[in-house]
Amino acid sequence: QKEVEQNSGPLSVPEGAIASLNCTYSDRGSQSFFWYRQYSGKSPELIMFIYSNGDKEDGRFTAQLNKASQYVSLLIRDSQPSDSATYLCAVIRVGGSYIPTFGRGTSLIVHP
Amino acid sequence: EPEVTQTPSHQVTQMGQEVILRCVPISNHLYFYWYRQILGQKVEFLVSFYNNEISEKSEIFDDQFSVERPDGSNFTLKIRSTKLEDSAMYFCASSEGQETQYFGPGTRLLVL
Repeated sequence: QKEVEQNSGPLSVPEGAIASLNCTYSDRGSQSFFWYRQYSGKSPELIMFIYSNGDKEDGRFTAQLNKASQYVSLLIRDSQPSDSATYLCAVIRVGGSYIPTFGRGTSLIVHP
Repeated sequence: EPEVTQTPSHQVTQMGQEVILRCVPISNHLYFYWYRQILGQKVEFLVSFYNNEISEKSEIFDDQFSVERPDGSNFTLKIRSTKLEDSAMYFCASSEGQETQYFGPGTRLLVL
């Protein structure tokens, strides 16, 4: 069974700090990794995707992938109160089904 | 910026009734999906649709559910004989290729 695990949190960080969100996955065939942000009562909003080992930066967001250790993380620099949301990790096993498996999400609270 | 739209935003129905949830995917996208999210739980895949037919479905997507693309723009999810446990947010998503999916705002379904 494919599993995507995230700490449910909440992760609380002060405004301006770096928030680090982690995700582990069990399927070694996983090839594509996505981070979604979901505000309460709203739909998931794609933030970033990453396919290759290493770091990928987009503005204040950095996704980090380590396939050997089967984890993917999301760093948010200069965290703002508007970043307070649940962050969903999603994983696709390319070559098989293209349907993503979602984690339960980590709740992030950025306090002023 | 193009986006996925869904109607209605909220739907309240009596147990045993049929509901139809509607989605308009992004116009140049070829792959369409339905997900649901029960309050406080993971986003769960229901069904994917490509080239006017179902390409994949989950265990949740049983005979109670059906999907249809009645015209060139709409994509619908029909839930027959609704049950209390069908109460959830239902998200439509679309993608141009088979990976990066964009979600609509969702329909909150409440079955009484």
